[in-house]
Amino acid sequence: DAKTTQPTSMDCAEGRAANLPCNHSTISGNEYVYWYRQIHSQGPQYIIHGLKNNETNEMASLIITEDRKSSTLILPHATLRDTAVYYCIVLNYGGSQGNLIFGKGTKLSVKP
Amino acid sequence: DSGVTQTPKHLITATGQRVTLRCSPRSGDLSVYWYQQSLDQGLQFLIQYYNGEERAKGNILERFSAQQFPDLHSELNLSSLELGDSALYFCASSVEGVGRTEAFFGQGTRLTVV
Repeated sequence: DAKTTQPTSMDCAEGRAANLPCNHSTISGNEYVYWYRQIHSQGPQYIIHGLKNNETNEMASLIITEDRKSSTLILPHATLRDTAVYYCIVLNYGGSQGNLIFGKGTKLSVKP
Repeated sequence: DSGVTQTPKHLITATGQRVTLRCSPRSGDLSVYWYQQSLDQGLQFLIQYYNGEERAKGNILERFSAQQFPDLHSELNLSSLELGDSALYFCASSVEGVGRTEAFFGQGTRLTVV
């Protein structure tokens, strides 16, 4: 699976958009970009995933560059409850043998 | 609530002992994954089972073992416990492998070895 690079930490003002970048320059054609987050000591939570088109759901938007070497997770109106560690993971669209390998992620602090 | 249930929530035990952590996946999920999270190591993948069979292995110690039962619940057995085994242990489940669908995580079991 391709490796990812994320900033160690970021701050965001409450109510503003939080844009979390991720570099995955070695991604291959059959690999998806997944985002999970972990709020302090809770179980990780799935946010969104995509292959090459931009994706949006009720939690966030995922923007993937045309060359697929990087992506950005956007939380449109960050709240204090969005303070968490955000993980960008690249994963084969495999069958039952797929698993999630978590890196160090980005610690997002949403401030009032 | 993710639908994944882990028991117990907290466990305190002595070095050298053996413990069993239990995970009930979401209804209909065939895959179960175990992860260990210690302060200095982050989230480490241990092992995956799919419909009762082991499918992938990560950084799981030989002192640790797991199984998935016919009703799809899973148990992680940790033996000859050491202080360094103190960690949060998470279970996750998904319909198939996580490459196809998202994984849902339980709230974890906090193991403290004294």
